[in-house]
Amino acid sequence: NAGVTQTPKFQVLKTGQSMTLQCAQDMNHEYMSWYRQDPGMGLRLIHYSVGAGITDQGEVPNGYNVSRSTTEDFPLRLLSAAPSQTSVYFCASSYSGGSAYNEQFFGPGTRLTVL
Amino acid sequence: AQSVTQLDSQVPVFEEAPVELRCNYSSSVSVYLFWYVQYPNQGLQLLLKYLSGSTLVKGINGFEAEFNKSQTSFHLRKPSVHISDTAEYFCAVNTGNQFYFGTGTSLTVIP
Repeated sequence: NAGVTQTPKFQVLKTGQSMTLQCAQDMNHEYMSWYRQDPGMGLRLIHYSVGAGITDQGEVPNGYNVSRSTTEDFPLRLLSAAPSQTSVYFCASSYSGGSAYNEQFFGPGTRLTVL
Repeated sequence: AQSVTQLDSQVPVFEEAPVELRCNYSSSVSVYLFWYVQYPNQGLQLLLKYLSGSTLVKGINGFEAEFNKSQTSFHLRKPSVHISDTAEYFCAVNTGNQFYFGTGTSLTVIP
């Protein structure tokens, strides 16, 4: 049981480049989410999904796209990277959102730098 | 939207002393409350959670938190801290399908 895995661990991009941050979980969790962590800002929700084929925006969705074709995977896409997207990105999953079974399990994070 | 306020950004405390990390949230509707801990260069781990029932919640590593609905607070406490408790602590609220996190409190335990 690997839990929540994220790849890559580190990434450096140039402004305007695109990339996909990968996230996978093997706990059969319906709910998955992406956060960014910035100094003094805590964690802010980017996008979330309550099940395969269903995604929704969080607090800071601009500049990011997501899709959920399977229960296991929830990739985050940056179409045209900007320096403001320099951050640490965390993927998390839980049995569900908004219920008693909503403890989130976090991945180890991806540290992204945009030059 | 929900907001979560952690009143102290940094808390230094001597080893074996008690500590309280404060958290207040904005919503008056039913919410689920959590405390997470983040050790350097790691993801977040759940310390404890309040779903319903007793307002005093016990978690891992000797931590506990008290839910106070009238004051919309969920403060985290430990009666005697250890060096290994040095970490970042986040209070979080789950309402509907979204989770909201506070800005974090950096706890430093001084030998």
